[in-house]
Amino acid sequence: GAGVSQSPSNKVTEKGKDVELRCDPISGHTALYWYRQRLGQGLEFLIYFQGNSAPDKSGLPSDRFSAERTGESVSTLTIQRTQQEDSAVYLCASRGGGSYNEQFFGPGTRLTVL
Amino acid sequence: GENVEQHPSTLSVQEGDSAVIKCTYSDSASNYFPWYKQELGKGPQLIIDIRSNVGEKKDQRIAVTLNKTAKHFSLHITETQPEDSAVYFCAASTGGADGLTFGKGTHLIIQP
Repeated sequence: GAGVSQSPSNKVTEKGKDVELRCDPISGHTALYWYRQRLGQGLEFLIYFQGNSAPDKSGLPSDRFSAERTGESVSTLTIQRTQQEDSAVYLCASRGGGSYNEQFFGPGTRLTVL
Repeated sequence: GENVEQHPSTLSVQEGDSAVIKCTYSDSASNYFPWYKQELGKGPQLIIDIRSNVGEKKDQRIAVTLNKTAKHFSLHITETQPEDSAVYFCAASTGGADGLTFGKGTHLIIQP
């Protein structure tokens, strides 16, 4: 079946503009995560959605970052007033079933802020 | 919160030799330790994982060991092949709602 998809694959924007990144999780997966991966670095946890529960936003680096998820489907990550340090690959992952089940990652969106 | 350290950052081995990547973690409550492989331009893909009630797990050429007392775990790849070249990430989690805390990655290069 289809895996996690993300769009766009690449986004170039000017400093100060807002961007929206989209994630389509695997159908039926109740858990959805966003991570940020800076060049040559590991993955940094941003936000977690589980079903209809309130999201865990503890990893969001500033109030310019926000994310939404409609039920157990699509999620969008919004970055307002982008800064050059926001340049990174933004990865989405979804997980089904129990807590120890595998997180399946999408291919990521490469964001470049000029 | 959890902190995961990973070494080395780059590892070059001859094809056919073994490769070992090591990670340490700080949170003694962590009980789930996956390893991911990331090829260029792709998202990470799980290759093996281990839970804290197990000391070692093996899947063909890949094995992971866990030492809970010392809070470290390692990935072992035997008989390395060119397609093993990638960036490998270790991660730790307390399970449940927590996201994974990742190491900074190891760039594994298999020399022909």
